[in-house]
Order: sequence, then structure tokens, then C-alpha cells
Amino acid sequence: EVQLLESGGGLVQPGGSLRLSCAASGFTFSSYAMNWVRQAPGKGLEWVSTINDSGGSFTYADSVRGRFTVSRDNSKNTLYLQMNSLRAEDTAVYYCAKKYFAAAGQNHFDYWGQGTLVTVSS
Amino acid sequence: DIQMTQSPSTLSASVGDRVTITCRASQSISSWLAWYQQKPGKAPKLLIYKTSSLESGVPSRFSGSGSGTDFTLTISSLQPDDFATYYCQQYHSYPLTFGGGTKVEIK
Repeated sequence: EVQLLESGGGLVQPGGSLRLSCAASGFTFSSYAMNWVRQAPGKGLEWVSTINDSGGSFTYADSVRGRFTVSRDNSKNTLYLQMNSLRAEDTAVYYCAKKYFAAAGQNHFDYWGQGTLVTVSS
Repeated sequence: DIQMTQSPSTLSASVGDRVTITCRASQSISSWLAWYQQKPGKAPKLLIYKTSSLESGVPSRFSGSGSGTDFTLTISSLQPDDFATYYCQQYHSYPLTFGGGTKVEIK
């Protein structure tokens, strides 16, 4: 059974940093690109970042580029999101999500974690 | 960036109704469209990918159609478990983008 378990969320002041983790199990983690998607309270879904299977290629939404860094440790089956220079508008539930197909190409999500809440406030 | 526009934003319907949700892309995305269902406090769940491919385990009352810029999600006979918010997502190109969501409420 595929499981994705996020952790690391919490309350942080504007300008602060936080690192989210997503522990994966039930599939060959090193074969799949992984994603972060967020959802502000009462709002819709926003894609944040994608990292390829090896960790050597990644892409970001404009809203987080230069402040967030995605990485992965395939030996630990874990995905990370380092968030720096946090702003109030980064307040959201952050989900990790698995790419549907292992093959390169189009990226939609078949499994999602339960999410971790990040609140940026003074 | 490709903008995804869903309509309506809210839909009131009764059990047994046929429900259609529309998603329009700001440029052609071929068939690279997925639909997700989200219930309050829960993660989204994949329903349909590549416009019309039903994800394993999803009831056959859900179907998708369209191509290019115009897409629809249809629920043939609304069930109590279907009251939720639905999102479309294009995965033709980055940045990946979602529609604003359609909340299906009990009439």
C-alpha cells in the first residue's frame, strides 16, 4: 500500500524558515518524480514544485522560486521542501504527491499525503 | 502559464441527478487533463486522467470528455458520497495548474 506521510509543518514568523519532509512507502520511491502541492485555508490547489526521480532536475512555481528548495534522499525514501523567507501568503496545507507514471513525461498525481499545515504569522 | 477556469464554482444538486462540471484551458492542452475529488480536511483523490481514463477503483458513474481547451466531468447519477469539491488540473506543461474548484452541494 502506497503511503506518503508529511511532517515538519508548524507556526513560523514571517521571514523564517521551515523544512517539510514526506516519508514514502509502498512503492519504489527512486523510480518516481515527486511533487509538492499546497492549499491555502479555504482556497484551491496550487502546484509548488516537482523533482525528478534521481533528484537531479526540479522545477518551481514562480511564487516560491528562489525561496523554496526541493530535494530527495532516495536511500531514505524521503522527499523534502526547504522553505526560506516565508511570507504570510505561504500559509497553507502542504501536500506531497506521487507522479502517476514512472516514465518521464506528463505529470499528474495518483497518491497524496495527508498534508501538513504551515502557518506564517507574527 | 496555462489558466484553468472551472464552472460553476458551486453546484446544488440532488441524489440521482446528472451533474456536469466544465473546465476550460487558456490554450490547448491536448488531452492532458486530470480531475480530482476533495472532501473537507482530506487530500485530493484522483478520479480521471488523460481527459477520460477512469482511475482504478473509481465508480463508473464518473466520466470525462473533451480535448484541446474544453473539458467536462460528468457524474451520471449523483450519490451521497459525491458531495465534495472537484478540481481539474492540466499537465500539458509547467507550471502545472488547477482550476478554481467546483463545490457540489446538497440541494
